[in-house]
Amino acid sequence: NAGVTQTPKFQVLKTGQSMTLQCAQDMNHEYMSWYRQDPGMGLRLIHYSVGAGITDQGEVPNGYNVSRSTTEDFPLRLLSAAPSQTSVYFCASTPGGSVTEAFFGQGTRLTVV
Amino acid sequence: GEDVEQSLFLSVREGDSSVINCTYTDSSSTYLYWYKQEPGAGLQLLTYIFSNMDMKQDQRLTVLLNKKDKHLSLRIADTQTGDSAIYFCAESPGPPPSKIIFGSGTRLSIRP
Repeated sequence: NAGVTQTPKFQVLKTGQSMTLQCAQDMNHEYMSWYRQDPGMGLRLIHYSVGAGITDQGEVPNGYNVSRSTTEDFPLRLLSAAPSQTSVYFCASTPGGSVTEAFFGQGTRLTVV
Repeated sequence: GEDVEQSLFLSVREGDSSVINCTYTDSSSTYLYWYKQEPGAGLQLLTYIFSNMDMKQDQRLTVLLNKKDKHLSLRIADTQTGDSAIYFCAESPGPPPSKIIFGSGTRLSIRP
């Protein structure tokens, strides 16, 4: 059982470039979310989805887009990368309902130069 | 607004107990969590507690909740080198799709 898979693990972008961080889960979880982790700031929610076709903004959505065309996949798009988006990005999925545990991917370390 | 605060570092001697503290501001918090992050890895749920409980014990882990003071603590008994990690406190007003708010994490280091 693969769980939550994020690709790539590492990425370096130039300012202004765009890219998509991939996230896939094979647990048929309803709820998926993207966080960024910055030193001393914990995890901040970027976007989340409560099911296929439904997405919503978290605390820090600016500069990021998401879509949820299938239950399994929840890609995060950076439209025009900025140095402030240098961070470690985590995707998480949760079954929903009364089950509360979030399952996290291994993270993507992104550097924007 | 919602906020979760933790101290950034804790150092304990191997074999001693570790106590990691957390305070939160959202009085509607229903679920309170402790997650563990080992180097280079994602977060893993250690334990959680509902707001109608004041204590939960799971092997070496004890969670204490003081709802009046909005204070949560995680005690790790007989701390081992494998417990070295960052520990995140988090809260949520309910099960998904309620959002989870994380603290900044406490880095636990173990000295011999």
